[in-house]
Amino acid sequence: SYVLTQPPSVSVAPGQTARITCGGNNIGSKSVHWYQQKPGQAPVLVVYDDSDRPSGIPERFSGSNSGNTATLTISRVEAGDEADYYCQVWDSSSDHQSVFGTGTKVTVL
Amino acid sequence: QITLKESGPTLVKPTQTLTLTCTFSGFSLSTSGVGVGWIRQPPGKALEWLALIYWDDDKRYSPSLKSRLTITKDTSKNQVVLTMTNMDPVDTATYYCAHSSPHPVLRVWGQGTLVTVSS
Repeated sequence: SYVLTQPPSVSVAPGQTARITCGGNNIGSKSVHWYQQKPGQAPVLVVYDDSDRPSGIPERFSGSNSGNTATLTISRVEAGDEADYYCQVWDSSSDHQSVFGTGTKVTVL
Repeated sequence: QITLKESGPTLVKPTQTLTLTCTFSGFSLSTSGVGVGWIRQPPGKALEWLALIYWDDDKRYSPSLKSRLTITKDTSKNQVVLTMTNMDPVDTATYYCAHSSPHPVLRVWGQGTLVTVSS
């Protein structure tokens, strides 16, 4: 089955830029979606189709996808961005299933 | 405004069958392109996708759990039901349902319900 690999943790100072990677075989050929999950809360969609933002999500959240790596970028990081972040794709190979990444904990220093 | 809420038992015994209901509002599961998915998260662990049902009654399951899962919908009641057979302690998790549109984006999630498997 398709595997998505994320770094376990990313630390960033307030006002700086956080980059969270999501690695997968030829992931650039798939659409990648990103979710933010704060402690004790349900996940929230922050980026879909590689780089689109749902209404209400700040422009500070952006995404890109090429080759074997997709990236979620959080610009001008705020304390409220501290959360777990998960990438997701649809694997339309033989399995036809959705797959989540391993998750990345973003810590604001 | 789209909302979803999961309901079901908080405690099940090993080998029992779990039945969870997702009751939603703000959309119709008879609208083209719409789906409802189930996702779970063991305590302290990552999200795991389980199943998805579409407006046209197409269904998709996690290959690793397919033999144990059944997803159905009742459009008139705005509900989606997930059953999981032969529950085991490793199935202890928070179970979420989510609105999917467009496929396979999980645009709005329910609050989740914690299910503990223990004798």
